[in-house]
Amino acid sequence: GIQVEQSPPDLILQEGANSTLRCNFSDSVNNLQWFHQNPWGQLINLFYIPSGTKQNGRLSATTVATERYSLLYISSSQTTDSGVYFCAVEGGTSYGKLTFGQGTILTVHP
Amino acid sequence: SAVISQKPSRDICQRGTSLTIQCQVDSQVTMMFWYRQQPGQSLTLIATANQGSEATYESGFVIDKFPISRPNLTFSTLTVSNMSPEDSSIYLCSVEGTGPSYNEQFFGPGTRLTVL
Repeated sequence: GIQVEQSPPDLILQEGANSTLRCNFSDSVNNLQWFHQNPWGQLINLFYIPSGTKQNGRLSATTVATERYSLLYISSSQTTDSGVYFCAVEGGTSYGKLTFGQGTILTVHP
Repeated sequence: SAVISQKPSRDICQRGTSLTIQCQVDSQVTMMFWYRQQPGQSLTLIATANQGSEATYESGFVIDKFPISRPNLTFSTLTVSNMSPEDSSIYLCSVEGTGPSYNEQFFGPGTRLTVL
């Protein structure tokens, strides 16, 4: 099946710093999503981005499907950005099934 | 988008018992998905539940351990049977969105299960 690798596994920032999270995938995808899992376990949808670039406030994402990677940018980080960020993809024949990366644990200190 | 609720939100169970988790969606959906997240790990798909047919299980998951029901287009249940401490996990259901959000997946709040 499709492989998803996220980097870095852990990231520690001071409030106000910028960061870039990366997601590499091993095959063509129909769907790519970025999620933020809060401390209570809830998965928050950040971006649905199988290709192209999107921005939502301090967050933006870019997926280069031909090169099989996606980037999540967080600018001016806040303590509330802390948590786990997951990239998940739906492979070409997976029909709605998502394969998740291992996640990036982000800690933002005040 | 889709609004998904799960019951219970958390539970503590004794080994050898079973727990049934409910997932309710605010709109009719064709497929519902059940995921497991073991402590400190990522999410892994357990099975896909289609209304009117048997659930399709992923490698490593079997119907006897995780029976699933899908009685209608807005509801599904996952049972964790004959539990052991290794079943302690967060269990999440998900669905694809509708309208402009079609093909985007949305997740329920999860059920946090602890098995003693």
